[in-house]
Amino acid sequence: RKEVEQDPGPFNVPEGATVAFNCTYSNSASQSFFWYRQDCRKEPKLLMSVYSSGNEDGRFTAQLNRASQYISLLIRDSKLSDSATYLCVTYSGNTGKLIFGQGTTLQVKP
Amino acid sequence: DTEVTQTPKHLVMGMTNKKSLKCEQHMGHRAMYWYKQKAKKPPELMFVYSYEKLSINESVPSRFSPECPNSSLLNLHLHALQPEDSALYLCASSQGDQPQHFGDGTRLSIL
Repeated sequence: RKEVEQDPGPFNVPEGATVAFNCTYSNSASQSFFWYRQDCRKEPKLLMSVYSSGNEDGRFTAQLNRASQYISLLIRDSKLSDSATYLCVTYSGNTGKLIFGQGTTLQVKP
Repeated sequence: DTEVTQTPKHLVMGMTNKKSLKCEQHMGHRAMYWYKQKAKKPPELMFVYSYEKLSINESVPSRFSPECPNSSLLNLHLHALQPEDSALYLCASSQGDQPQHFGDGTRLSIL
């Protein structure tokens, strides 16, 4: 079993749609949680950190449920430019490592 | 614009060549990382330097040799690579448990 699991998709949605990605992690010692976005043949870029209280940045909302070891990302009013791979990432201070999920591919169509 | 700068952007080399990848950051981060990424896969950690000392080596073959000359620079020396080593090589830096910042990578092709 992978330490961070995501549905690889692809998720094909029309412009303006709302789409949600989910992720589960197995290491209960994980301390920090992030969503990264990666465009084709580019580097991963931090989209947002994820907190237990939930956090929102414009059209993007991230949630963390530590009890269920579950992380989510909601994208509202999808834009063509949102098409990318979204990587769910955890960090444990014990290991000093980021653990990446396999990534979820989103394609937003006109 | 990325705050972590990697050179070169592209590199093609033969299996007998020796080359180096370079990474530089001026954010004052004390941890720097090398990752390897194959197509449609997430980045795989290779090495971690913390305060200029190698702290993690993920059982990487010795044909990859990292070096941290100072707190801003990280090199990856390559020698006698194999075709399966062709990949995107990413450098990243961070401070504490803050998110890692990635450079835009070196796309390496081994002939």
